[in-house]
Amino acid sequence: DQQVKQNSPSLSVQEGRISILNCDYTNSMFDYFLWYKKYPAEGPTFLISISSIKDKNEDGRFTVFLNKSAKHLSLHIVPSQPGDSAVYFCAAYNYGQNFVFGPGTRLSVLP
Amino acid sequence: DVKVTQSSRYLVKRTGEKVFLECVQDMDHENMFWYRQDPGLGLRLIYFSYDVKMKEKGDIPEGYSVSREKKERFSLILESASTNQTSMYLCASSPPGGGSTEAFFGQGTRLTVV
Repeated sequence: DQQVKQNSPSLSVQEGRISILNCDYTNSMFDYFLWYKKYPAEGPTFLISISSIKDKNEDGRFTVFLNKSAKHLSLHIVPSQPGDSAVYFCAAYNYGQNFVFGPGTRLSVLP
Repeated sequence: DVKVTQSSRYLVKRTGEKVFLECVQDMDHENMFWYRQDPGLGLRLIYFSYDVKMKEKGDIPEGYSVSREKKERFSLILESASTNQTSMYLCASSPPGGGSTEAFFGQGTRLTVV
């Protein structure tokens, strides 16, 4: 049973518009969340994270929002650029010292 | 810059072969992980290690074993490769302590078992 879910396998957005990627989790013990970006034939690279004591974290064009009561987080990319086209993985830190990943969302930013 | 290096980018092995995937990190991280990535399933944890000679099973350890003889090196072993182990394998490392750390990934090994 997946503890981290990304229900949209893919998303297409026009260049310059906002991309919103969603993630839900089931384990209320998760207290740290991360987003990774992955290009084909490369390893995932860290994008942004958020601690459960916060509800928002911003880094340039990327903002992550956390709604603990709903067990939901989202990644906003504004404005979207063609180079943002990749697979995005949501992850949660499990206090058993490992990271649990969602299935990923493939983002396509159209010029 | 943290560097996690996997020994091969691409591997082709025959069914029944014993396969070794090597991973080395240069940041003195305590924690190391092996994941496999499959379409629609995301990254699934095979094994992880939080110290030398220590190992913990992840979600899908069947058919795999690991070795961590030195802090910087974490090896994944496929005892007898099967076609359902064809996948992208990703090694990662992280410092200890939760709540503020990230995992750093290698470039991945695309393994094909024929």
